[in-house]
Amino acid sequence: EVQLVQSGAEVKKPGESLRISCEGSGYSFTSYWISWVRQMPGKGLEWMGRIDPRDSYTHYSPSFQGHVIMSADKSISAAYLQWSSLKASDTAMYYCARHRLLPNFDCWGQGTLVTVSS
Amino acid sequence: EIVMTQSPATLSVSPGERATLSCRASQSISSNLAWYQQKPGQAPRLLIYGASTRATGIPARFSGSGSGTEFTLTISSLQSEDFAVYYCQQYNNWPGTFGQGTKLEIK
Repeated sequence: EVQLVQSGAEVKKPGESLRISCEGSGYSFTSYWISWVRQMPGKGLEWMGRIDPRDSYTHYSPSFQGHVIMSADKSISAAYLQWSSLKASDTAMYYCARHRLLPNFDCWGQGTLVTVSS
Repeated sequence: EIVMTQSPATLSVSPGERATLSCRASQSISSNLAWYQQKPGQAPRLLIYGASTRATGIPARFSGSGSGTEFTLTISSLQSEDFAVYYCQQYNNWPGTFGQGTKLEIK
C-alpha cells in the first residue's frame, strides 16, 4: 500500500524552531516529487513548494521562499519541512503529497497540525 | 500568479441529484487542472487530473470537463459520501494555485 505518514501534532512558542517529517512507503520514494501544502484553520489549500528526493532539488512558492526549508533523506524515504523561527501565523495543518513531474497529488499524508502560541 | 475562482461557494443538493461545480482561471491553463475532494478532518483526495481524467479508484459518477479558463466538475448522482469540500488546482504555471473551494452540502 502506498502511504505517506507524517509526524505528530506540535505545539510551539513563537521564535522556536521546528522540523516535521513525511515518510513514504509502498513505492519507489525517489520516483516521485514531494510537495508541501498548507491549510490554515478554516481556510483553503496553499502549495508551499516541492522537493525532488533524488537530489534534494527544491522549488519554493514565492509566498514561502525564505520562510521554510524543505529537505529529504532518500536513504530512509523521508522528507522534511522546517522553520527556524516560528510565528503565530504559521499555525496550520501541513500536508505532504507525492506527484510526478506534473503536480497531480495522488497520495497525501494525514497532515501535521502545527500550533504556535505563547 | 494565476487566480482560481470557484463557484458557488456553497451548493445545496439532494442525494441522487446532479451537482455541477465551476472553476475559472484568471488566464489560460490549457488542461492543466485537477479536482480534489476534502472531507472534515481528512486530507484531500485527487479526483480528476488533466481536466477530465479520473484518478485511480474514482467512481464514474465524477466527471470533469473544460479547457483554457473554464472548468466543470460534475457529480451525476450524489451519494451521501460525496458531501464535502471540492477544490480545483491549476498546475500550468508556477506556483500551482488552488481555488477557494466549493462546499457541497445536503439539501
